Amino acid sequence: DQQVKQNSPSLSVQEGRISILNCDYTNSMFDYFLWYKKYPAEGPTFLISISSIKDKNEDGRFTVFLNKSAKHLSLHIVPSQPGDSAVYFCAAKLTGGGNKLTFGTGTQLKVEL
Amino acid sequence: EPEVTQTPSHQVTQMGQEVILRCVPISNHLYFYWYRQILGQKVEFLVSFYNNEISEKSEIFDDQFSVERPDGSNFTLKIRSTKLEDSAMYFCASSVVPDQPQHFGDGTRLSIL
Repeated sequence: DQQVKQNSPSLSVQEGRISILNCDYTNSMFDYFLWYKKYPAEGPTFLISISSIKDKNEDGRFTVFLNKSAKHLSLHIVPSQPGDSAVYFCAAKLTGGGNKLTFGTGTQLKVEL
Repeated sequence: EPEVTQTPSHQVTQMGQEVILRCVPISNHLYFYWYRQILGQKVEFLVSFYNNEISEKSEIFDDQFSVERPDGSNFTLKIRSTKLEDSAMYFCASSVVPDQPQHFGDGTRLSIL
């Protein structure tokens, strides 16, 4: 099942700079997208979401951009902080298709001092 | 902030034995989910539950799996006869309504020997 892909398994960014995490999807019926952050030995923590009727959603340091024509979304974190170091998952939900979330494989973000 | 709690944090079971994983969803949430993550793989949807019924299940969720809400607070996942390949992190999640983010617990690590 490759419907949601995160092609970068890891990303390293300096503190204070922008982190950009990318996610691609193949199913055009996805209508709701979420980003989760996960620390070791913890469950995924919801960060931010976006509906397919929007192309941008912002919450503090986190902004999610959705490009439906490219079937691509990205999460921008600015400025990046050492506490942001975690695995980031994107997830997607189908239009009227129940509540199942389809997850990507995750990107390990490391924010260095 | 309200959170989803899961017990136990780690369960070790002999192959063929029954195991019950427990979850207490966030109190005003109406929709409940189980996901699992096999080591090194994606988070995968197992089942969603609403109004005391399964609303959706994946191919993974076969006859060996069952879910129950035995009282007003707990939500359980039972595996009747565990297999080696059931070893994974099992995450419970809940949401107020389907179009709101799902909030996850910290998971139960299930190890089948």
